[in-house]
Amino acid sequence: GQQLNQSPQSMFIQEGEDVSMNCTSSSIFNTWLWYKQEPGEGPVLLIALYKAGELTSNGRLTAQFGITRKDSFLNISASIPSDVGIYFCAGRIGRNAGNMLTFGGGTRLMVKP
Amino acid sequence: EAGVAQSPRYKIIEKRQSVAFWCNPISGHATLYWYQQILGQGPKLLIQFQNNGVVDDSQLPKDRFSAERLKGVDSTLKIQPAKLEDSAVYLCASSPWADRGLQETQYFGPGTRLLVL
Repeated sequence: GQQLNQSPQSMFIQEGEDVSMNCTSSSIFNTWLWYKQEPGEGPVLLIALYKAGELTSNGRLTAQFGITRKDSFLNISASIPSDVGIYFCAGRIGRNAGNMLTFGGGTRLMVKP
Repeated sequence: EAGVAQSPRYKIIEKRQSVAFWCNPISGHATLYWYQQILGQGPKLLIQFQNNGVVDDSQLPKDRFSAERLKGVDSTLKIQPAKLEDSAVYLCASSPWADRGLQETQYFGPGTRLLVL
């Protein structure tokens, strides 16, 4: 099946620093999503991307849909302690919201106050 | 609006025992998903329902896993018999529809943490 490779696996940064993480695949995806999961909770959708080259922001978060449709990037600016969690990318090959999502392995973010 | 409810939150069983998880989706949501999330990995879809019909169960280990959504509302996922490698968080998610355009509206529950000894 399809695989999404997410990197880095973990990051330990100082509060106020910017963060970048990415997700790559050998397959083309038509939708890219970014989720955040906190301990004991299910993933929560942060940003959804639907077009190659699309750049979308949600507060301090910015995500991009790669031109090749095989990758996506998430940036967090001016990190704060509540940004701590695991960030997952997810891709969908089909264009329909009902088609299956494939998740990456996650990037664990730790922020030092 | 109440979120996706799951129970139990935690379960510890011995291998070869049976276990069942329950999910109550957000009211009115037609589509329900069960995911397995092994420690250190992303969620993996096990089965997707549209109302009371199965849309995708290609990744469900059908020799031991079963799921049903008889009345198109809540759902149960069962493992019988459990193996050590079934230890994971089982997440339920729901969305209002699955076949209308691109809108992402999949909401996750808190999950059931299963430990098989």
